[in-house]
Amino acid sequence: GQNIDQPTEMTATEGAIVQINCTYQTSGFNGLFWYQQHAGEAPTFLSYNVLDGLEEKGRFSSFLSRSKGYSYLLLKELQMKDSASYLCAAMDSNYQLIWGAGTKLIIKP
Amino acid sequence: DTGVSQDPRHKITKRGQNVTFRCDPISEHNRLYWYRQTLGQGPEFLTYFQNEAQLEKSRLLSDRFSAERPKGSFSTLEIQRTEQGDSAMYLCASSPGQGHTDTQYFGPGTRLTVL
Repeated sequence: GQNIDQPTEMTATEGAIVQINCTYQTSGFNGLFWYQQHAGEAPTFLSYNVLDGLEEKGRFSSFLSRSKGYSYLLLKELQMKDSASYLCAAMDSNYQLIWGAGTKLIIKP
Repeated sequence: DTGVSQDPRHKITKRGQNVTFRCDPISEHNRLYWYRQTLGQGPEFLTYFQNEAQLEKSRLLSDRFSAERPKGSFSTLEIQRTEQGDSAMYLCASSPGQGHTDTQYFGPGTRLTVL
């Protein structure tokens, strides 16, 4: 079957760094997406990885290891506005996104 | 604002009634997706259009659900004979359609409550 695993909830301190992990099992693989979703709002695109390695985009970076079926999202210099759910989604061989349940990130002052 | 828009934003209905939601994708986006999301879960795929053609439909989708995209622009999602289990956020997303792995951009969603 197809499955995405990510932690349900994480807590971090303002100004710190946090890493949100995601493991995936899909029928075929065509890339890994990260989205941010604030409560009651729609998901917004953060990053896409299809090759192994680290992609950096400002305070956010995303890493992929295809051999391990593993990705992480790294958030630096955390701000209160980063409090949100972070959704990991893998694209399968049919080019459909398989979504995780999301990681709720709580930022404390 | 040239993002994806959805209407209505909220809908409360009684069990057994029919409801219809509308999605206007980003201009010139060829692909349009419908998802359903419940609290604490990721989006669940419902169906997908390439222009006006409905190319994929979830096996989990009841025959009470139907979607159209008649002119390859806006889309509607209809739920007939609503049940309490249909209560959820219904999300629409669009993508340019340039290759298979293009990024999906989401609308604000329609929150459905079935009483």
